[in-house]
This record gives sequence, C-alpha cells and structure tokens, in this order.
Amino acid sequence: QQPVQSPQAVILREGEDAVINCSSSKALYSVHWYRQKHGEAPVFLMILLKGGEQKGHEKISASFNEKKQQSSLYLTASQLSYSGTYFCGTGRNEKLTFGTGTRLTIIP
Amino acid sequence: GAGVSQSPSNKVTEKGKDVELRCDPISGHTALYWYRQSLGQGLEFLIYFQGNSAPDKSGLPSDRFSAERTGGSVSTLTIQRTQQEDSAVYLCASSSQGQASGYTFGSGTRLTVV
Repeated sequence: QQPVQSPQAVILREGEDAVINCSSSKALYSVHWYRQKHGEAPVFLMILLKGGEQKGHEKISASFNEKKQQSSLYLTASQLSYSGTYFCGTGRNEKLTFGTGTRLTIIP
Repeated sequence: GAGVSQSPSNKVTEKGKDVELRCDPISGHTALYWYRQSLGQGLEFLIYFQGNSAPDKSGLPSDRFSAERTGGSVSTLTIQRTQQEDSAVYLCASSSQGQASGYTFGSGTRLTVV
C-alpha cells in the first residue's frame, strides 16, 4: 500500500523551517527520500534503514520511527533551491512504493 | 555511462500502435526499475529487475505491458496497442545491489497517445 505524506503542499518564506511526514500502514524496513523539481527526474536525498536513526544532509535531515511506522523529513532555514515535490519511498527490499508527494514552494 | 539514459525523451503515438521505450542504466548497477508518473501524480511501480533473477512484474497494469532486460544491462519497456490512459512519463531508475543504495533516475520518456 502507498505511504501517505503530509502535508500535501506547503508554502514557506525563505529561511523558514518545514517538516514533511511519511506514514505507512505496513512495517517499515527502509525509507528513501527524493526531491523532484518541475519537469525533472526525482533526485535521491537520503535513505534511512530500520533502527530509528536520524540522518542529515546539509540543512536537510530525517528521522525514522519504526514503532509509529513513520518517517519525517526536516528542512531548516529553507532556501529557494529547496522548492519541489518531495517523495518518500518505502520497501523491504530494493523495490520501493512511493508516497503521495508533498509540494514545497519557497518564496523570497 | 555517468547517469541513467532513456530514449526517446518524447514520444507521440496514435492509439492502437505499439511503442518501445529504452533505458540504459548506470554501468555496474544490478537493479533496474520502471515507474510511471501521470501528470501531477506520484510514482507508480511497474517492474523491477535484479541481476539474473526473474523480474518482479507485479506492477504492470495489463498484459499489453512487457519489459525485458538484455545482458543485465539495457532494458526495453514495450506497450502494445496503446490507449490514451497510457499517456504518462515513464521513468527508469537503477541502483547498486543492497538496501542502502538510493535510486538514480533517468530523465524519463514522455509518452502521449493521441
């Protein structure tokens, strides 16, 4: 089943923070996060494996809560370049089921 | 190559015709995936190849869709007797073996069935 992301869309001013959530009805073994800009292919941001770890990538980090079957992506001090649609992908093996997507718009 | 290459980038076809979409993955990547993305929608899984194992075809929407991967490298997705609802962007991705590897996506083929 497809993981559910929230919110569906968010508009931020440059420098503000955002949190994007990804919830699954199935047990999570790994969670991937991708960003897709309009008209482009999705780009891999990070992967979190079972174990509740938190990872970071510049000002973008993520957490993985196995018990809640949920992952959250944190964007701090957002930049214009962060605009795009964010997808989480979940799966037990390499095959991923992608979430519904969260459209993030950063305005100056 | 340096990235995942897909061709053609755009394809317009008449309803009922067959089309072939090609994907050339990153050299050395054992896993290859096809996804479909309709306008403004998410990514729908179609098929997954891993090494020499039998492909996971569980996402193919009908028997008009098929895919093969030759020599563990290049893959071709074939859609027979295309329908208007087949119009979408078809994305190919590849990854190294193992759970810890992210996908590298190609730029996609935009298919329009008229």
